[in-house]
Amino acid sequence: AQSVSQHNHHVILSEAASLELGCNYSYGGTVNLFWYVQYPGQHLQLLLKYFSGDPLVKGIKGFEAEFIKSKFSFNLRKPSVQWSDTAEYFCAVNAGGGFKTIFGAGTRLFVKA
Amino acid sequence: NAGVTQTPKFQVLKTGQSMTLQCAQDMNHEYMSWYRQDPGMGLRLIHYSVGAGITDQGEVPNGYNVSRSTTEDFPLRLLSAAPSQTSVYFCASTGSGANVLTFGAGSRLTVL
Repeated sequence: AQSVSQHNHHVILSEAASLELGCNYSYGGTVNLFWYVQYPGQHLQLLLKYFSGDPLVKGIKGFEAEFIKSKFSFNLRKPSVQWSDTAEYFCAVNAGGGFKTIFGAGTRLFVKA
Repeated sequence: NAGVTQTPKFQVLKTGQSMTLQCAQDMNHEYMSWYRQDPGMGLRLIHYSVGAGITDQGEVPNGYNVSRSTTEDFPLRLLSAAPSQTSVYFCASTGSGANVLTFGAGSRLTVL
């Protein structure tokens, strides 16, 4: 069965600091990987996704993530966070070709202005 | 284009009561799913459907029933609500190929 582990449950950063959120998954076959974000009071929305090809993917608002197959990891990064990045971030995985998507526990990011 | 619509947005139940959370999508998506979101536990998959007439259990199906009689609708039923079902419930859908989920606004349920 698929599972997703996010290493940090709460992160507090000052504006302009760099961000890296860890995500590891367990599944032996081909996977599609996602980061979703939930801003306060808003719907969950897609931040970025990896299906195949270049393991370094770029998303909205300057976020990027790197897929490292040998480590079963898909860490999210941003070089310089802004106050508006305050949100909850979820890593998710589904088995390649399937629709069933499993989420991690989420990381709450608070950026101090 | 409304996307994924969930009703009601808020509901308070007493233990043992039943209710149905409604979910409808107008994007002709084959796949629909229900998640619950609890603090520190992320989103956990309750039930999902890959098409009309086809449903399957997710990670936490106990206490919930679903059916999929049409492509558009995927209601979630609580037959006998328990306080442990107090949560925020999200419906999500996706079409073939993309696998990117479109979420509804959520339904906050409190069971007393």
